[in-house]
Amino acid sequence: LAKTTQPISMDSYEGQEVNITCSHNNIATNDYITWYQQFPSQGPRFIIQGYKTKVTNEVASLFIPADRKSSTLSLPRVSLSDTAVYYCLVGDRSSNTGKLIFGQGTTLQVKP
Amino acid sequence: DSGVTQTPKHLITATGQRVTLRCSPRSGDLSVYWYQQSLDQGLQFLIQYYNGEERAKGNILERFSAQQFPDLHSELNLSSLELGDSALYFCASSTDRVQPQHFGDGTRLSIL
Repeated sequence: LAKTTQPISMDSYEGQEVNITCSHNNIATNDYITWYQQFPSQGPRFIIQGYKTKVTNEVASLFIPADRKSSTLSLPRVSLSDTAVYYCLVGDRSSNTGKLIFGQGTTLQVKP
Repeated sequence: DSGVTQTPKHLITATGQRVTLRCSPRSGDLSVYWYQQSLDQGLQFLIQYYNGEERAKGNILERFSAQQFPDLHSELNLSSLELGDSALYFCASSTDRVQPQHFGDGTRLSIL
């Protein structure tokens, strides 16, 4: 499984758009990219998943360039409740298992 | 609500004891995963079951064991407990290895 690198922490203000970039230089052809959000003392919550180009759902967008060596999670107009840890993970579709390898994640602090 | 139920929410016990953590996956999900989250180690994958069969093992100690029953619920057994086993234990489930995992809210284990 490809290793991911993301900033340890980020600060933002309410109403702003937040972009969190994740580096995964050794991503393989069969790998897909998934982002999770975790609040203190709660389990991680699935946000979005993609393989290439752009994916958008009701809470976020995921941008993946053509070389797929990085990805950017975009959170539009964040609120205080978006303060959480965000994890970028790379998973192998061809693997026999779906186990996830979590890195340190990015702690996002949204200020009023 | 992720649909994954973990019991108990909190567990306090002493060193040397044995405990069982229980997980009921989302309806229809065949895969169950166990993760451990401690302050110094982050989220660590322990073990995965798929439709009753062990599918993958991660950093799971020999003192720990798990199983998935015919009704697809799973139990994680921790024995000869040590102070360092104090952590949040999360269960997650998914339809298959490709689909996103949905996490429960965890069991907080405190060893005194």
